[in-house]
Amino acid sequence: GGIITQTPKFLIGQEGQKLTLKCQQNFNHDTMYWYRQDSGKGLRLIYYSITENDLQKGDLSEGYDASREKKSSFSLTVTSAQKNEMAVFLCASSPGTGLHTQYFGPGTRLLVL
Amino acid sequence: AQSVDQPDAHVTLSEGASLELRCSYSYSAAPYLFWYVQYPGQSLQFLLKYITGDTVVKGTKGFEAEFRKSNSSFNLKKSPAHWSDSAKYFCALEGPGNYKYVFGAGTRLKVIA
Repeated sequence: GGIITQTPKFLIGQEGQKLTLKCQQNFNHDTMYWYRQDSGKGLRLIYYSITENDLQKGDLSEGYDASREKKSSFSLTVTSAQKNEMAVFLCASSPGTGLHTQYFGPGTRLLVL
Repeated sequence: AQSVDQPDAHVTLSEGASLELRCSYSYSAAPYLFWYVQYPGQSLQFLLKYITGDTVVKGTKGFEAEFRKSNSSFNLKKSPAHWSDSAKYFCALEGPGNYKYVFGAGTRLKVIA
């Protein structure tokens, strides 16, 4: 078995601030994902990474940067936090595509004042 | 383009009844289809998937789903339902080889004891 750890659990920021969220997995999975979950909505893909040092944009990448410097970690940066923004950011990992399920972390809850 | 529709935002039923959560999809080829569950305060957990072959797939916690190509559906079923099944359920699609999931908006299920 393995586990996905996301830090911080809660993140409160100010409008215009750059904010970084971190994700670690010990599954030794190749692929990692960042999703945004808004209240009452489904998950939307922000960035994903097929392997170390690879970055692929999802449907919601504008306003975000990502970094995959190690196989086990995947960071997401909100480049300029928007006032009153509130969402949960979920990190996931997978051995690969299609035949493999995704395993999700507990999430980081973001609130921008 | 690929999309997933879960037409029922909320479903309420009594313990012991049969549950069926609807999911329809749009994709130009044969998709991979998934169901995930999110219990209150927790992250997403994998329930089951359809890749190919038998159109009825069984998953964890007594759930099963049927893939129907004729009407592009992948409905989740369980009988009988238990109060502990109360959660939000997400249907997801992946186009083979493209690494990206598309999630539906989710169905919030409430099972009354």
